Amino acid sequence: KNEVEQSPQNLTAQEGEFITINCSYSVGISALHWLQQHPGGGIVSLFMLSSGKKKHGRLIATINIQEKHSSLHITASHPRDSAVYICAVRGNTPLVFGKGTRLSVIA
Amino acid sequence: GAVVSQHPSWVICKSGTSVKIECRSLDFQATTMFWYRQFPKQSLMLMATSNEGSKATYEQGVEKDKFLINHASLTLSTLTVTSAHPEDSSFYICSATQGASTDTQYFGPGTRLTVL
Repeated sequence: KNEVEQSPQNLTAQEGEFITINCSYSVGISALHWLQQHPGGGIVSLFMLSSGKKKHGRLIATINIQEKHSSLHITASHPRDSAVYICAVRGNTPLVFGKGTRLSVIA
Repeated sequence: GAVVSQHPSWVICKSGTSVKIECRSLDFQATTMFWYRQFPKQSLMLMATSNEGSKATYEQGVEKDKFLINHASLTLSTLTVTSAHPEDSSFYICSATQGASTDTQYFGPGTRLTVL
């Protein structure tokens, strides 16, 4: 079974800071997802990627297949970015989720 | 974009009763739907995968007789927690894909179940 580790577990940042959240996994995958879970519980899919880099607004996701590692970057962070960010990987099994990184952005 | 809804958003019930949670894809046909459970400050855990018109596939350790899943149409899947107990209290989330189970999953807003 794939082991998915995220770091850091908790992160507090000042508004405007550049933020990086990391995800490592143990077994080769076909795709990696980054999800955002708001305090109320709702989940939004941010990215699905299998190689390289994707960008959407202030969010950037990268993946290094050889190193089994992905990063999610947030530029010019804002209090509304406060949420739990979850990494999930897909291989031959259904999605395996990391425990999430709780981000708090302070104005 | 693809929208998935869940109903109810929260429910409180007495121990021993059954609770039904609905998951609907509002603007697309969901070939595959997934049911997850999330305990406080824990990761999502897949409970079962359901395909329209066929029996759900349950993950190891999930009691299929306790968590009844019905995917009767391409836009609706239901999860029924039978004879609920306080340990079943959790946040239940569904997701759906438009095509194969490996496609992008669209998540519902979740249902918080509290069993007294």
